[in-house]
Order: sequence, then C-alpha cells, then structure tokens
Amino acid sequence: SYVLTQPPSVSVSPGQPASITCSGDKLGDKYVCWYQRKPGQPPVMVIHEDSKRPSGIPERFSGSNSGNTATLTISGTQAMDEADYFCQAWDSNTHAVFGGGTKLTVL
Amino acid sequence: QVQLQESGPGLVKSSETLSLTCTVSGGSISVYYWSWIRQSPGKGLEWIGFRYYSGRSDYIPSLKSRVTISVDTTKNHVSLELNSVTAADTAVYYCARGLTGSGPFDLWGQGSQVIVSS
Repeated sequence: SYVLTQPPSVSVSPGQPASITCSGDKLGDKYVCWYQRKPGQPPVMVIHEDSKRPSGIPERFSGSNSGNTATLTISGTQAMDEADYFCQAWDSNTHAVFGGGTKLTVL
Repeated sequence: QVQLQESGPGLVKSSETLSLTCTVSGGSISVYYWSWIRQSPGKGLEWIGFRYYSGRSDYIPSLKSRVTISVDTTKNHVSLELNSVTAADTAVYYCARGLTGSGPFDLWGQGSQVIVSS
C-alpha cells in the first residue's frame, strides 16, 4: 500500500517560516492536499492540487510537490497557525492516503 | 454555509455494528462524493471509503467486507455502517465532502468519537 511520511513535529518561532514535508514514492506524480486541524475543530483544507489555496486561506500558506516530496510552507508563521497538519494523496487504486500528521508548535 | 455534523452512539460493543450519521445542513447532498475517514488513537487519518450521491461507491480493501456507506438525498444524510467491530475500530470518525472521486476533501465534520468495548 502507498505510504506518506511526515515528521511528527515541527517547531517555529513567530514570524519565521515553517516547512512541513510529506514523502512518498514518486509523490510528485500525484496531486497533494494539505489539511489543518486545530483542537476541537474539523480539519480544514489549506492547500489542494499541490499548491492551490482555497478561498479564505491566508496567502502565507503555500505548497510545492516534486520528486518524492511535497512541502507545505507557512511564511511569517503566526500563533494561530499552531495545529496538526496532514498531507493527503490518492494511490493508484484511487484510494485516499494520508500522512501520519505533523504537530506544528509556534514557540 | 454548508455544515456537516456526525452523530451516533459513542460506545459500541465488540462484534456489534457501528452506525453513524452525517447530517448535511445548509446545502445539497447531490453532486458530491461523501467519504468517511477515521483516526484511531496514536495513528494517522485513515480513509474508509466514499459513496457518490447517485450510487457509485468504493472502500478501502481492509474494511471492504465489513463496511457500507449510504446516502439519503431525501434526508440529506450520509451513513456509515461497520459491522463485527473490534477494539481496533475505536476511533474518531469524520465525514467529508469531495467534488470528485479523487479530489480534495473540501469540507469536514467535527468528528464523532466511537469506543468499542469488550
């Protein structure tokens, strides 16, 4: 089965950029989505099709995907960005696969 | 504003059937693909499967023999049934909406905690 791997945690200082990676075999050949989940709230899609921001998502969120790695970047990270982030792609059987999630801490 | 809300028993006995309902409010259930996704303690998100409003469905192989997702367009409900549950089915269950069968999940419910007891 297809596996997506994320670092369990990433820490960043306020105002600094944060990068969260997602690795998978030939991931660059697939579209990747990123979801943000804050405690007590439903997950929210922050990036789809590798780098597209849905309406209402701040411009500081951006995404890229090439080779075996997709990256979610938050420029000028704010305290409100502290959350769990999950990457997601579809495998060759058109089944959704998620990464294990990354807890972003804004120190 | 469209909202999704999961509901159902928080406690299910081992070997019995887990049944959850996702109520779609503020919008139509038609045109979309409706998925159930779960997260077990200490694990990542796991997609269970989807049902298109008009009937097409697909499930993850490991659960295919035990799971049914249905859509009731008259009630704006999406339902999940998972039978013969074990402790491994203890999880937070989310319903989520997709525009296509292989596209992003653009809207999620709050999630419903289900514990399977022996």
